[in-house]
This record gives sequence, C-alpha cells and structure tokens, in this order.
Amino acid sequence: QSVLTQPPSVSAAPGQRVTISCSGGSSNIGNNYVAWYQQLPGTAPKLLIYDNDKRPSGIPDRFSGSKSGTSATLGITGLQTGDEADYYCGTWDSSLSAQVFGTGTKVTVL
Amino acid sequence: QGQLVQSGAEVRKPGASVKVSCRASGYTFTSSGISWVRQAPGQGLEWMGWISTTSGSTNYAQKVQGRVTMTTDRPTKTAQMDLRSLRSDDTGTYFCVAGIVSHDAFDIWGQGTLVTVSS
Repeated sequence: QSVLTQPPSVSAAPGQRVTISCSGGSSNIGNNYVAWYQQLPGTAPKLLIYDNDKRPSGIPDRFSGSKSGTSATLGITGLQTGDEADYYCGTWDSSLSAQVFGTGTKVTVL
Repeated sequence: QGQLVQSGAEVRKPGASVKVSCRASGYTFTSSGISWVRQAPGQGLEWMGWISTTSGSTNYAQKVQGRVTMTTDRPTKTAQMDLRSLRSDDTGTYFCVAGIVSHDAFDIWGQGTLVTVSS
C-alpha cells in the first residue's frame, strides 16, 4: 500500500476547476518537497509540479500546486478534455529512505 | 531536451532474470542519478531504487532488495536494471527516470519497457 492517499477519482465539466488532494505524514510530505505527475493513457508520466508549487518549462499555469502541513493539493483550472488522465503525487519519505507515490487519481471531464 | 530511451519488451518465465537498459541523451548524464519506477497493469507507480551516476552508489526499495541490481556506465551514458527470481507480480512496465529541475522530482522519463512474467 502507498503511504500517500489520493481520492480515486474527480470529475468536472469542461472549463471548470478541480482539485486533487494528497495526504501523507511528517516523514514524507511534512518535511519534503512534493511533485505531481500526469499520466495520459498508454504513456509515461509527465512532471507537472515540482518543489510543491513550481511548474517546469512548458507546463501551463492552469496547473498549480500547494502544500500545507502533511497534505498537498494539485489544482487544474479551465479543465479540458485533454486533461483526462491519471494524476500522482510523489515525495521522499525520510523514514523509509524511499521515493513514494500517491495512490493516483483519475480525472474525468464530463 | 533530455531524453531516456529504453530497451524493448521482454517475456520471462517465473524464476528467470531480466535486464532493462536505458540510454540518456540531451543532458549531462552525471547531473542526475537514475531511478527506476515500475507500474503493474492498471496499478499505480512504485519506486524500485536509485543509482548515482557519479559514484555508482545505490539505494534499493525494501520490496526488491536482494533481487535487483542497478548499474550505470558513464562513457555510454547508459543505466541498467537487473531483476532476478522473477515472479508473476513483477509483470508490468518499467521506467527509468531522472530529475534535472529538482532532486526531488522526475522530469525525464523513459518510454517504458513492458516485462511479462508468465509460465
């Protein structure tokens, strides 16, 4: 089982906003940076957010990240059909000395 | 643009071993370690371990410790992951990944290598 918990699915209409939560503990999110990944069907994951709230070059500002305590949140505004994908949070776990990922959230555009 | 290109799909019987390779291009190979992440069919991401591209030191996930060996070759900018004593639950897609923008995130992903373990 993953040490980071995400909701299995979220959905919204095109143009709307969704948020995805990632809940952990003091050994992971609480004391380390969080990243977010988007995985389109049949492809490798893609980095959306790193260091809690930074976007790599080329990632639109519709995607945002935040962290508070032992939880992190990914926000997607102006939802598009192309945003339908699985989303994963990830961080380092200092107790496990391992990179850990969230359980994953499937985003559906209604 | 940094890129990681992996070797092709493999089919193995239970108890056998598999080697997956990963060749880097478009970035300074030694600027990031290489991690391996796998994904069982329809499941989430699982980190398997990390290797330094400068010192060769490794850190393996407890779940595969003792069955996995990760190596790198600086002249050819290649990383390799060997997994032994394969079981059916090792079936999945294996990704090599690197983190350039941050040590705590993976911004370069290989295309993935499907490993199927079946009798």
